[in-house]
Amino acid sequence: GQQVMQIPQYQHVQEGEDFTTYCNSSTTLSNIQWYKQRPGGHPVFLIQLVKSGEVKKQKRLTFQFGEAKKNSSLHITATQTTDVGTYFCAGFYNQGGKLIFGQGTELSVKP
Amino acid sequence: DSGVTQTPKHLITATGQRVTLRCSPRSGDLSVYWYQQSLDQGLQFLIQYYNGEERAKGNILERFSAQQFPDLHSELNLSSLELGDSALYFCASSVWDRVFSGELFFGEGSRLTVL
Repeated sequence: GQQVMQIPQYQHVQEGEDFTTYCNSSTTLSNIQWYKQRPGGHPVFLIQLVKSGEVKKQKRLTFQFGEAKKNSSLHITATQTTDVGTYFCAGFYNQGGKLIFGQGTELSVKP
Repeated sequence: DSGVTQTPKHLITATGQRVTLRCSPRSGDLSVYWYQQSLDQGLQFLIQYYNGEERAKGNILERFSAQQFPDLHSELNLSSLELGDSALYFCASSVWDRVFSGELFFGEGSRLTVL
C-alpha cells in the first residue's frame, strides 16, 4: 500500500550537533514535502521536492530526493534550540491523489 | 497565522456522542484536507475535498463523514464516538487539486477528548 516510513522516531542532540531524518516509500512518489511542527503547534510547510535526485538547501537545512523517487532525507547542520520540533515528510502519490505523512521525527536539542 | 480557521479548538464529550468540527480554508483555496493526529499514529489522512467534491479518501472510519459546502468551508462529523477517537484533528487547505499537490496550510487543530 501507500505508506511512508520515517526514521528515527526520536532524536536527542547536543546543540551544535548535526541531525538527519530519513523517509522511505515502497512505491514511487510523485513528489515529497517536508513539514515542521513545533510543540503544541500545527505542521508548517518547509519545502517540496519534485525531481529525481533533487537537492535543496534552506540555510542550515538540506533536503534530498532519491534518484528512484522513493526516499528522501532532511539534514540539519549545527542544530540550534530553535530547531526543536517534529519533522514530517509527506509523500504524494498520483494514484489516488493522496498526501501521506510519515510518522515524524521528534528532535530535541540540549543547550 | 496560516489563514485556515478551525472551530472548536477544544471539545470534550462522552462515548457514543456525535460532534462536528468546522474548517474555513484560506481565501482562494479550493481544496480542504482532514487529518487525524494521535500520539502513536502521527498524521493520518482522512479525506480531501476540492470545490465541493470528494477527491481522495484515506483511512476514514464509516462513523466519520465530511462535506464541503458551496462557500468552501468544510465540516467533519464524528459519530458514535469511542475513547480511541480522542485526537487532534487538523484541517488543511491548498489551492491545488489532486493532479498536482502543493503546499498545505494547516489550521491550529481541534482537540477532541472522548471520556
